[in-house]
Amino acid sequence: GNSVTQMEGPVTLSEEAFLTINCTYTATGYPSLFWYVQYPGEGLQLLLKATKADDKGSNKGFEATYRKETTSFHLEKGSVQVSDSAVYFCALSDPYYGGSQGNLIFGKGTKLSVKP
Amino acid sequence: DAMVIQNPRYQVTQFGKPVTLSCSQTLNHNVMYWYQQKSSQAPKLLFHYYDKDFNNEADTPDNFQSRRPNTSFCFLDIRSPGLGDAAMYLCATSRVGDTASHEQYFGPGTRLTVT
Repeated sequence: GNSVTQMEGPVTLSEEAFLTINCTYTATGYPSLFWYVQYPGEGLQLLLKATKADDKGSNKGFEATYRKETTSFHLEKGSVQVSDSAVYFCALSDPYYGGSQGNLIFGKGTKLSVKP
Repeated sequence: DAMVIQNPRYQVTQFGKPVTLSCSQTLNHNVMYWYQQKSSQAPKLLFHYYDKDFNNEADTPDNFQSRRPNTSFCFLDIRSPGLGDAAMYLCATSRVGDTASHEQYFGPGTRLTVT
C-alpha cells in the first residue's frame, strides 16, 4: 500500500543553519506530494506541493523536488529562522489508491526547533 | 479571505456527554474531512464527505458521527466521549475532480478536553 516515511525528530538547529528533512514515499500510481507545517496549537498549513516528477515546490524559502527515481521529496531551507519552529508533515495523494477523493497519507511529522 | 473555520477553538465536555464540533468553509470545496490528532502524532482521518456522500474510515469508532447539511457546513458528533477522545479535531476541505493535486485546506482545529 501507499506510505510516507519521514525522518524522525526532533531536529534542533541554530538560526541561519541549513535544514533538510528527509521524506520518502511508496505509491502505486503517480502521487502528488505535499509538505504541511503545523505551528503550536494550530491547524496544518500547506507549505508547498509538487504534482509530477522533477517538479520543484517552493514557498517562504523552503524547497522540495519530486524525485521519482529515488521516490523522495526532501524539504530544504538554506537559512532557518526562529519563526520556522514547528512540526513538518510530508504527505501524498495518490489518485489511483484512495486518493481519487483527495485522501492524504501523512508521514509521522518532524518537530523542528530553531534556537537564536 | 476564503477559509475554513472551526468552532469552538476549545471545548470541554464531561465523560459520556454528547458534544458537537462544527466546521464551515467559504472555499466552495466539494470534499470535507474530519481528522483526529493526538499529541505528537500525525492527523488520523475519521471520515469525509464527497459532496453528500459519506465515507467512513474502517477503524473509526461508531461513537463518532458526522453530518453535512449543505456544502458549507460539516459537523462532528461524539455521542459518548471517553477520556481517550481528548484530542485536537481538524476539519479540512479539498476541491477534488478538476485539479490534479488535491491539496487540503485545514481549519485551526478544536481542542477537545474530556473531564
